[in-house]
Amino acid sequence: DIQMTQSPSSVSASVGDRVTITCRASQGISDSLAWYQQKPGKAPKLLIYAASSLQSGVPSRFTGSASGTDFTFTISSVQPEDFATYYCQQAKTFPPTFGQGTRVDIK
Amino acid sequence: QVQLQQSGPGLVKPSQTLSLTCAISGDSVSSNTAAWNWIRQSPSRGLEWLGRTYYRSKWYNDYEASVESRITINPDTSKNQFSLQLSSVTPEDTAVYYCARDDVLMAGISYYFDYWGQGTLVTVSS
Repeated sequence: DIQMTQSPSSVSASVGDRVTITCRASQGISDSLAWYQQKPGKAPKLLIYAASSLQSGVPSRFTGSASGTDFTFTISSVQPEDFATYYCQQAKTFPPTFGQGTRVDIK
Repeated sequence: QVQLQQSGPGLVKPSQTLSLTCAISGDSVSSNTAAWNWIRQSPSRGLEWLGRTYYRSKWYNDYEASVESRITINPDTSKNQFSLQLSSVTPEDTAVYYCARDDVLMAGISYYFDYWGQGTLVTVSS
């Protein structure tokens, strides 16, 4: 199975800060990567797919990019509703696998 | 708008079978582009994909290797829903279980989960 390694495991930010999360795949997955947001007690919500495509209805402050097996997720200006845990997930090969998550909390 | 509504017991005894159902509205379990998945989440294992069912002129199932001998996912076309059965459960199977949809129309491939159920906490305990 492909291993997905996220860093950092947690980050503290203030409203308006720029936050960047990285995800590394254990082997090549092309651009077959998704990012999800999860709030406590809720299901994950798809934000970005195909590494950089924004899911319908998701604010444009969320962006994603890819470089080889390294993927970057950025919140350009963190809003109060963005404090949550974020997960990457590879969609290239069976079975789909997730990163361990990055918690974004209030500084 | 697709909605997935989960139902099933929150407590299962060790060695018994965990059974959950996911009712679909706004789409069809027999869709030729969607697949219907079960994913679970626990503190020790994180998010773990378990398996899926989908229809492409006939029914297919895919299962994660670690649970393949114990899992069954079945569609129910009469009720537009699908189910999960996990047999011989142990406390290690304690988790929040989610149903989720993926659709190849999104990006030409599967495994982007765009709609999720609300989640069901299943505790395995005597």
